[in-house]
Formats: sequence, C-alpha cells, structure tokens
Amino acid sequence: GAGVSQTPSNKVTEKGKYVELRCDPISGHTALYWYRQSLGQGPEFLIYFQGTGAADDSGLPNDRFFAVRPEGSVSTLKIQRTERGDSAVYLCASSSGGAAYNSPLHFGNGTRLTVT
Amino acid sequence: QKEVEQDPGPLSVPEGAIVSLNCTYSNSAFQYFMWYRQYSRKGPELLMYTYSSGNKEDGRFTAQVDKSSKYISLFIRDSQPSDSATYLCAMRLTGGGNKLTFGTGTQLKVEL
Repeated sequence: GAGVSQTPSNKVTEKGKYVELRCDPISGHTALYWYRQSLGQGPEFLIYFQGTGAADDSGLPNDRFFAVRPEGSVSTLKIQRTERGDSAVYLCASSSGGAAYNSPLHFGNGTRLTVT
Repeated sequence: QKEVEQDPGPLSVPEGAIVSLNCTYSNSAFQYFMWYRQYSRKGPELLMYTYSSGNKEDGRFTAQVDKSSKYISLFIRDSQPSDSATYLCAMRLTGGGNKLTFGTGTQLKVEL
C-alpha cells in the first residue's frame, strides 16, 4: 500500500519568504509527526498530532513555525519569514496508535528545504 | 552534552563481516529503544524495536539494551553491500507519543 507521501520533495526559497510543506499520512493512521533533520544529524522532533489536535508542539523552534491537520489526515507545516538556518530535511511520519500504543513510526522521504 | 551520543563514522567493513553499532544515552527514563536505517535521500526505516533491557533478534540483526550502562547496540551478521546506509538509534519515554530522541547516525559502508 501507499506509504507516507510528502510534497514537494525539494523546495528552494529566498530568505524572508513563506513556505508550506505537505504530508499525506498512511490511510487510517491517527497519529502524525513532524521531524527536522539537519545535515549530518539525526531527526529532531517538532510536533505531534493525535487526530486533528496538536498533542505536543514542544519541538517547534519559534513562532515562525506552525502546523495544522484540520481533518485529521493531511497535515501542512508552515514556516513564515524563512531564515537560512531553517534549511534542512523536514520529515513527516505517521503511526496507527496514540501515546499508549507502541505502534512504529512510518516516515516519508522528506521535503528538502533550502533557504537562500 | 547531547542526550544520545552516537559515533558518526564512517564505518567501512568488508562483505560478510559482523558490524557493531552503538549508542550511549544520559536520560535513565528512556524505556523504548529503536534502530532505524536510512538510505541516502530517503526517510528512516524501522529495523528493531526493544522495550527496556535485553536482546532481540530478527534475521541478521540483533539489538541489545543495557539500561544499567545506558548503552544500546545493533549487530549485523553477514553484512551485505545493501546494508550500506546510515543507522540511527532512537529512544523514547513511556507515554507521550512517539516523540523520539535520535542519535546523529552512523554511516556504514559494506564493501565487496
């Protein structure tokens, strides 16, 4: 079946611009996660949705970052006034269970964001 | 100091070798331990999932967790060129969703 889909796969933007990154999770997965992976580093947690609500957004670095999941399926990560330090691969993952379950994360291939 | 430390490598081994990959961590509250494999320009793929201390084997892969030493390992037997990838350890607390803390990843190359 289809895995986690992320679009676009690559995004180049100028400093100061606004970007949106989209994630289509595996059908039926209730939990959705955003992670950020900088070059040579492991992924870092940004935000976690259970259904439509953000259950934990403690990893968002500042108020320029915002994410939504209005219908409990597709999610969009929004970055305002982009900075060169935002350049990274943004990974989305989904899982079938919530906090109480040990369901594994299924990652997409990420969106590679470059801020020039 | 990072919560999870992992040697970034690169690690180069001949085909057929036994590979040992390791992570240390500082937070004794971590209860779930994972190893992910990540090919270039791809997302991480779960290899092994272990709860608390002990060993787990799956085919050519064995994961070990030693909570008393805060040390986890992944062993790959009979390594193949297709095992060439970056291996990420990850861990999380009980509850709180799959909010994982990852190591930096070890780059492995298995040569013919």
